[in-house]
Amino acid sequence: QAQLVQSGAEVKKPGASVQVSCKASGYTFTAYYVHWVRQAPGQGLEWMGWVNPRTGGTKVAQRFQGGVTMTWDTSITTAYMELRRLRSDDTAVYYCARAQGGRAFDVWGQGTMVTVSS
Amino acid sequence: EIVLTQSPGTLSLSPGERATLSCWASQSISGSYLAWFQQKAGQAPRLLIYGASIRATGVPDRFSGSGSGTDFTLTISRLEPEDFAVYYCQHYGSSPGFTFGPGTKVDIK
Repeated sequence: QAQLVQSGAEVKKPGASVQVSCKASGYTFTAYYVHWVRQAPGQGLEWMGWVNPRTGGTKVAQRFQGGVTMTWDTSITTAYMELRRLRSDDTAVYYCARAQGGRAFDVWGQGTMVTVSS
Repeated sequence: EIVLTQSPGTLSLSPGERATLSCWASQSISGSYLAWFQQKAGQAPRLLIYGASIRATGVPDRFSGSGSGTDFTLTISRLEPEDFAVYYCQHYGSSPGFTFGPGTKVDIK
C-alpha cells in the first residue's frame, strides 16, 4: 500500500539549515504531488508548499518563500524540504503528504520533529 | 487566500452522542474542494472526508460531511471512544489555497 516514510528528528541551532526527506513507496511517485505541512507544538496545521515530480513544478506558500526549498529525486522516489535560517519558532513537526492534482491529501508521512534551540 | 474558521473550538461530549462540527470559508469554495481530517495526539492527520461529502476509504459511515459554498459540516452520528480527537477542515485543489482551519477538539465529557 502507499506509504510515505520521513527522516528522523533533528535538533538544530538558530541560523542553521535542516533538510527533511520523505520516501515514497507503494505507488507511482510521479503521479502525485508531494505537499509539506508543519505543526508547531500545540498548534494547528500550516501548509508550506508542494512539488510535482512529473512536471518539475514547485509552489511555496508566500510566508515561506526565500527560506524553504522543495526538491525531489525521482530515481529514489524521495522528496526533500530544506528550511534555512532556522529560528526558534520553526520548532515543529513537519509532515509530507501526497495528493493528485485537485485532490485531497490522502496519505501522510509519520512526521519529523525539528527542534531549534541554542 | 481563503480563510477557514471552525466552530466550536472544543466540543465536550459523551460516547454515543452526536457531534456536529462547523467550518466556514471566507469566500465560496468552488467544486466543494473541502476536506476533513482527524488527528490524534502524536499521530499524522488522517483524511476522513473529501469533496465536502465523500468518505475516504475505510472511514466508518458514522462520519458524514455536508455543505457547499462557504458553510460546511462534519457530523459524527454516534461517538465511539476512538473518535475523541482534533478535527481540521481544509480547502484544497489550488494555490495559494490548501489552507487549514484552526481545528475543533472533541473531548470526553
